[in-house]
Amino acid sequence: DVKVTQSSRYLVKRTGEKVFLECVQDMDHENMFWYRQDPGLGLRLIYFSYDVKMKEKGDIPEGYSVSREKKERFSLILESASTNQTSMYLCASSVSMNTEAFFGQGTRLTVV
Amino acid sequence: GDSVTQMEGPVTLSEEAFLTINCTYTATGYPSLFWYVQYPGEGLQLLLKATKADDKGSNKGFEATYRKETTSFHLEKGSVQVSDSAVYFCALRPSGAQKLVFGQGTRLTINP
Repeated sequence: DVKVTQSSRYLVKRTGEKVFLECVQDMDHENMFWYRQDPGLGLRLIYFSYDVKMKEKGDIPEGYSVSREKKERFSLILESASTNQTSMYLCASSVSMNTEAFFGQGTRLTVV
Repeated sequence: GDSVTQMEGPVTLSEEAFLTINCTYTATGYPSLFWYVQYPGEGLQLLLKATKADDKGSNKGFEATYRKETTSFHLEKGSVQVSDSAVYFCALRPSGAQKLVFGQGTRLTINP
């Protein structure tokens, strides 16, 4: 079975903390993505990666960075968390351009 | 730029009713089109897709037809069940791109 695993379902962090969200896929997929999901806004792409150590900015990269040191793992980093980064974060992966994306269960992050 | 617009929710129906969730898009070239579903507490799952004009995607009784002339990909089901209660997202993948562009989502509730 295809699997994308996000390390935490729920996180509560304080303003100014450095936050790491981890995502692992076991399908040997080339592409990995980080989205945030907010009510009324749908999913918005933060960053994506099409190969190890490669990354590209999505639509809303400000305040975030990413790391992909191994093919199966894609980390989202909030350098200094702020309350407007309270959201649901979804990781996804896909084999190539024309195939479906598989999603993790999401991490609900609250910044207080 | 590329965008997806879905009908606003929430949508509430009785069991066995007919469902339509409207989706229109703006994109250059020939995007691929998708419907994803998010059940409570879970990540997104691909429901159906269509990769070229006039293609019909179908799964679990749901259908959607890629209409290039009206730039639409409306989701339909003839007889909904309580278990169809979820949030539905329309999405497109622009030609030659790896990322997905999502609509804002439509929350569907089916009452017994």
